[in-house]
Amino acid sequence: QKEVEQNSGPLSVPEGAIASLNCTYSDRGSQSFFWYRQYSGKSPELIMSIYSNGDKEDGRFTAQLNKASQYVSLLIRDSQPSDSATYLCAVNKWDTGFQKLVFGTGTRLLVSP
Amino acid sequence: DAGVIQSPRHEVTEMGQEVTLRCKPISGHDYLFWYRQTMMRGLELLIYFNNNVPIDDSGMPEDRFSAKMPNASFSTLKIQPSEPRDSAVYFCASTPDSRETQYFGPGTRLLVL
Repeated sequence: QKEVEQNSGPLSVPEGAIASLNCTYSDRGSQSFFWYRQYSGKSPELIMSIYSNGDKEDGRFTAQLNKASQYVSLLIRDSQPSDSATYLCAVNKWDTGFQKLVFGTGTRLLVSP
Repeated sequence: DAGVIQSPRHEVTEMGQEVTLRCKPISGHDYLFWYRQTMMRGLELLIYFNNNVPIDDSGMPEDRFSAKMPNASFSTLKIQPSEPRDSAVYFCASTPDSRETQYFGPGTRLLVL
């Protein structure tokens, strides 16, 4: 089992729809969760971070965390073509007394006009 | 702040040659990470440093890879000898706190012929 799993996609949604991206993780001790967006040929950039169960909203983006189910999701409301990118889920993991991030392989999102 | 700086942005070399990738983290960030990204394996952590000291190099593929951080503002990742399977995008990232988000550089696209 991979430490962080995501559906590779592509996830295709029409402009204006809600895009739902999902991620599961294996380490129950994980406490920090991040969603990064990566445009083709570019570096990952942080979209959302979430640390406690429930929802966290920022503009059109909502991150959802369920630690009992080891599940993190990202909802993008009113999807725009500019949201077309690969979305990486990242989860922290304790290792040798420090924490490091483990990334999923990403879900490719395509928003059609 | 200039962000994380990486050089070169692109590197094309022949199998067997030595390749050196460079990174300047964001000033004040005590943690520096080297990642490799490929379509097949996604974003993989190679090694990370805290206060210039290597903490975890378990992701370094083999002895052909080495990394150094001689001071707080500079790190190198060296591949010697390079092989075609090393072709990937190599990212450097930094953060002031290992529990928090990481800030990525623009990456170095390496092609080994």
